[in-house]
Amino acid sequence: DTAVSQTPKYLVTQMGNDKSIKCEQNLGHDTMYWYKQDSKKFLKIMFSYNNKELIINETVPNRFSPKSPDKAHLNLHINSLELGDSAVYFCASTRLAGDNEQFFGPGTRLTVL
Amino acid sequence: DAKTTQPPSMDCAEGRAANLPCNHSTISGNEYVYWYRQIHSQGPQYIIHGLKNNETNEMASLIITEDRKSSTLILPHATLRDTAVYYCIVRDLSGAGSYQLTFGKGTKLSVIP
Repeated sequence: DTAVSQTPKYLVTQMGNDKSIKCEQNLGHDTMYWYKQDSKKFLKIMFSYNNKELIINETVPNRFSPKSPDKAHLNLHINSLELGDSAVYFCASTRLAGDNEQFFGPGTRLTVL
Repeated sequence: DAKTTQPPSMDCAEGRAANLPCNHSTISGNEYVYWYRQIHSQGPQYIIHGLKNNETNEMASLIITEDRKSSTLILPHATLRDTAVYYCIVRDLSGAGSYQLTFGKGTKLSVIP
């Protein structure tokens, strides 16, 4: 069974559209994260949620809105997509905030045309 | 910004030990050294972490110098499946910074048959 899953795996869309990426973890973890890996392969944190509450928002544009309906899910909604949003987005989770091992999902490759 | 410096790439013969260096000369007393790796098209995977002492687990060994300004990740018998980008990360487990991992450019390790 997949510990951290993301859907879709690939997402191709036009500029200006609104899209969502879903993340689910079946590990019973309290903390979830979104990371962005750009074309130069830099991996940067975007958001962190602990028990459905936002604890990190790393200077991400307001067009990005994470939503955590429950502890097992952290979805990422993006409004008015721009070319620069093209990247691979990774979801991750930890049992508790600050735990040693973050478990990452397989990633969602977003391409904005 | 990442607080670590790693060589951009390294080669290792299959079956030999892979020694991946990392410089973290500005590391503070509260900061741990973490290693993650990212196999192509997958999410990052935790390998090992340490503070002062050398550490070993089923995947690798971590050697930290006495002054803690550098460390080496050792994969004792590299296999083709170890081909990946290896990230050395310095992480403070106190405060808000404990929630996130700050990835640098990493070292692309190629294991050669």
